[in-house]
Amino acid sequence: ETGVTQSPTHLIKTRGQQVTLRCSSQSGHNTVSWYQQALGQGPQFIFQYYREEENGRGNFPPRFSGLQFPNYSSELNVNALELDDSALYLCASSLGPNQPQHFGDGTRLSIL
Amino acid sequence: QKEVEQNSGPLSVPEGAIASLNCTYSDRGSQSFFWYRQYSGKSPELIMFIYSNGDKEDGRFTAQLNKASQYVSLLIRDSQPSDSATYLCAVNWVQGGKLIFGQGTELSVKP
Repeated sequence: ETGVTQSPTHLIKTRGQQVTLRCSSQSGHNTVSWYQQALGQGPQFIFQYYREEENGRGNFPPRFSGLQFPNYSSELNVNALELDDSALYLCASSLGPNQPQHFGDGTRLSIL
Repeated sequence: QKEVEQNSGPLSVPEGAIASLNCTYSDRGSQSFFWYRQYSGKSPELIMFIYSNGDKEDGRFTAQLNKASQYVSLLIRDSQPSDSATYLCAVNWVQGGKLIFGQGTELSVKP
């Protein structure tokens, strides 16, 4: 059984640029959630997608947007990157919106 | 008041001892509670989840939930150096399926 996979592993961008992060959910999972984790902090919820529809959003500005595809993989897009966007971005998939979530290895994003 | 609170630690225990990790949460409507283990530089790994009041045991791990006190804990018996990690408590928010995480407790198990 393939787990949650994320790409890329690491990414370096400059302020003002745009970035797309990708996530493939675990086999059989129809729900994907995205989190941002700053150093020394717990993950912060960005949003969740369930069967291609957004199913909840955290306190992140509109420049954070997402998408879920028919195969339940997902993308996180961030526009107009800021220095504070530097963090580990985590994708988690689950069998449903309120089921246990399993995380991928994350994408480490650095903004210069 | 933070939504999910944990002692940041570090919590240091000798090898073979019981490690006790605690978490409180603010939303009385929360229904699902999770413990994740995160090694340095790695992503969180789900180790336990609990939905009902009482204890739930899985190997060396026991999760305890008291909804009246809004308190959830994780006990690790026979602690090993390989258990040294940050333990994150997460609560499933009633709306939108999001997980709210505490800031994590760093556990160090000394040989």
